Order: sequence, then C-alpha cells, then structure tokens
Amino acid sequence: AQKITQTQPGMFVQEKEAVTLDCTYDTSDPSYGLFWYKQPSSGEMIFLIYQGSYDQQNATEGRYSLNFQKARKSANLVISASQLGDSAMYFCAMRESTNAGKSTFGDGTTLTVKP
Amino acid sequence: KAGVTQTPRYLIKTRGQQVTLSCSPISGHRSVSWYQQTPGQGLQFLFEYFSETQRNKGNFPGRFSGRQFSNSRSEMNVSTLELGDSALYLCAIRTSGGSAKNIQYFGAGTRLSVL
Repeated sequence: AQKITQTQPGMFVQEKEAVTLDCTYDTSDPSYGLFWYKQPSSGEMIFLIYQGSYDQQNATEGRYSLNFQKARKSANLVISASQLGDSAMYFCAMRESTNAGKSTFGDGTTLTVKP
Repeated sequence: KAGVTQTPRYLIKTRGQQVTLSCSPISGHRSVSWYQQTPGQGLQFLFEYFSETQRNKGNFPGRFSGRQFSNSRSEMNVSTLELGDSALYLCAIRTSGGSAKNIQYFGAGTRLSVL
C-alpha cells in the first residue's frame, strides 16, 4: 500500500534562508508521481511542484526544487530564499499510475518563516 | 492553473441532518476527486468520479456518497451527520488521462461543522 511519511511536524526558518522539508514514500508501483502542496490558513491546497518516478532530473519551479532520491524513496522539498508568505502547511503527496485519481498525503509540515 | 469552485465555503449542520456539497470544475475536466481533511486523520481520499462514473472509493461508510453530472460538476452527500464528520472537504480535478503525472488542482474547500 502506498504511504507518505513527513517526519517534521513543524519547522522554523529565517527570512531569506533556504529550508528543506522531508518526505519519504513507499509504493510497489514502478510508475508514480510525487507532489508538494502548500496549504495556507485559508485552506486551499496550492500545487507547488511535481516529480515523476521516471524523471532523471530533479524538478524545479522558481524558488521550489525537489530533491528526488529514488533509491532512498525520498522526495524532499527545498524552498530557497524564504519569504514571510511561505508560512503555511506543506504536504507531500503521491499518486500511482494504477490509481491516478487518488492522492495519498503525508501528515504535513507547518513552516514558519521568521522576519 | 485549472479552476475549481466549491460551494458553499462554510456550512453548519446538526447531528442527524444530511448535507450536500458541490464542486464545479472548469469545462473539460472529467475527473473529480473528493477528500476529507481533519486534524486527527489528516487528508483522506473519499472517492473519484470520472465521466459520471465512480472509479474508486476510499474507506468511508456508506453515509458518504457522491455523483457527477454530464457537465463534470460533482456533488458529495453525507447523510445522518455525526460530530466526527466536521472537516474541511476538498475536491480536486486533474487533467485528462490515466497517468500519475497529471496534476490534481484543488478547490478552496467547504468547511463543515456538525453541532
């Protein structure tokens, strides 16, 4: 069964510094997608970045990058140059190709950016 | 960015009542998935509808049901509400196709409080 583990319930980072949010996953499907979402206090889930299981390069989207280590089954999110607006809950999620309509989410990490 | 409108945004009901939540994707998105988010259980998959057919269902009791209309709009119904049904209900759409790389975009959610 697919599983996502986020071991950091809360993280603090100084404004303008980089931060890494950890995510490990487990699946038996060789084809899967890994996603990171940001959820501000308003509740909306905002898509940040995607990494496919067959992608050779780590994904990047602006200040977000995904450190994908397939052998270790980890997909850590790196946020560079943190901003106060980055304070939110961050979720790692996975979807298997055999069940593309269902995402499995981790418990989330609350990130607080300090001025 | 794909658009998803969920209505209502907030809802207060009492135990034993039933509730219907709505999710309206922009045209062309045939897949709609529903999730429940609670502080205790996190984000859990409820079900997915694709072209008006339920494709997959999570581990929820039969009180939770849904449907999808020909215009892709989806409704979720919860009958005989319990206090534990208080949650943020999120719906998500994804681009067509069965690949895991299709990104799921979420609506702003409906926050249900059961008193």
